[in-house]
Amino acid sequence: SQELEQSPQSLIVQEGKNLTINCTSSKTLYGLYWYKQKYGEGLIFLMMLQKGGEEKSHEKITAKLDEKKQQSSLHITASQPSHAGIYLCGADMEAGGTSYGKLTFGQGTILTVHP
Amino acid sequence: DAMVIQNPRYQVTQFGKPVTLSCSQTLNHNVMYWYQQKSSQAPKLLFHYYDKDFNNEADTPDNFQSRRPNTSFCFLDIRSPGLGDAAMYLCATSEDGYQETQYFGPGTRLLVL
Repeated sequence: SQELEQSPQSLIVQEGKNLTINCTSSKTLYGLYWYKQKYGEGLIFLMMLQKGGEEKSHEKITAKLDEKKQQSSLHITASQPSHAGIYLCGADMEAGGTSYGKLTFGQGTILTVHP
Repeated sequence: DAMVIQNPRYQVTQFGKPVTLSCSQTLNHNVMYWYQQKSSQAPKLLFHYYDKDFNNEADTPDNFQSRRPNTSFCFLDIRSPGLGDAAMYLCATSEDGYQETQYFGPGTRLLVL
């Protein structure tokens, strides 16, 4: 089983709709990262969450970390076609975190936004 | 301005023919990583350098090697590519590793014929 489970695996929304992507960990999280990837390209850093209860926003994207639930959510408000892509959560899954920041990634959520 | 640069963006090689992928960074970061991402899968860490110290993940095949001649450059060498090595190879950097953001390059897509 995956150490980081993302849900849903894919999501199709109409432009203007809100959506949420979840990332659930099988272990205690020591930092949780959200990245976006366009097909065939590299990963673009979105946000990093380090503390339980932390919430960060950038433009129309908000991410939260629930340490107790070992879960993070990524919420997009009023989605646009430019939000389309693959969203990946990543975390250092070693107890206490590794010295070099080894990231394990979830399997990704494919987001399609129809105009 | 590009901070993590990978060349080439696409690489075609023949089965068993050695290939080298290149990564350079303008961030002056201490740590450089190589990830392998197969189709529809999550990126998987192959190894990393902290400065000049090389660290292999336990399950990285011996077929994969890396070199870091200076702070800015890091190379991934695949000695004898097999069909199963076809993938996107992603280079990333972070300032110091522990709980630091990793910045990724655009990736090199490797095709093995």
